Amino acid sequence: AQSVSQHNHHVILSEAASLELGCNYSYGGTVNLFWYVQYPGQHLQLLLKYFSGDPLVKGIKGFEAEFIKSKFSFNLRKPSVQWSDTAEYFCAVNWGQGGKLIFGQGTELSVKP
Amino acid sequence: GAGVSQSPRYKVAKRGQDVALRCDPISGHVSLFWYQQALGQGPEFLTYFQNEAQLDKSGLPSDRFFAERPEGSVSTLKIQRTQQEDSAVYLCASSLAEGGGNTIYFGEGSWLTVV
Repeated sequence: AQSVSQHNHHVILSEAASLELGCNYSYGGTVNLFWYVQYPGQHLQLLLKYFSGDPLVKGIKGFEAEFIKSKFSFNLRKPSVQWSDTAEYFCAVNWGQGGKLIFGQGTELSVKP
Repeated sequence: GAGVSQSPRYKVAKRGQDVALRCDPISGHVSLFWYQQALGQGPEFLTYFQNEAQLDKSGLPSDRFFAERPEGSVSTLKIQRTQQEDSAVYLCASSLAEGGGNTIYFGEGSWLTVV
């Protein structure tokens, strides 16, 4: 079955620390990959997406993600986090079924000022 | 409108009551999705429309759940005879066109609590 796994449930970092959040999906084929962020009290917002081409994707607010096909992974990175990055982060995958997304369980990021 | 709009934002229902949740997608968006998000979990797919056609309803958890989009714009998710396990946030999302390569925009959700 199609599934998406996020390795960390809760990550706590100090400001200026580097961030990497893991995301793996169950099997290959043609995939479209997304990272969404949900700030406290707000709706899901798109951080970045990968459809094709350069496997290193840059998104908003200094985030980037790398698609490694051989590892079925799409990890999210940011070199230096800020307190305002405190939020929940969701990885999502589409296997081309009309846009349907399968989400990971989410990673809660807490950044200490 | 500027974004996906959902109503009501909060609903408390007594067990056994029927509820209806409304979604106004972004104007002109062809595809519309419903997701269910339980506390501490990622959103789970319920159903998908392309215009007025319901193309995938594989995620609806039981026959108590029903969704419609009769004119290809506004959609309603109806839950009959609500149960406590139905308590969750129900998210509506839309995208401009069909296909997995399109960005999906989410609404703020309807928070349902069944008591």
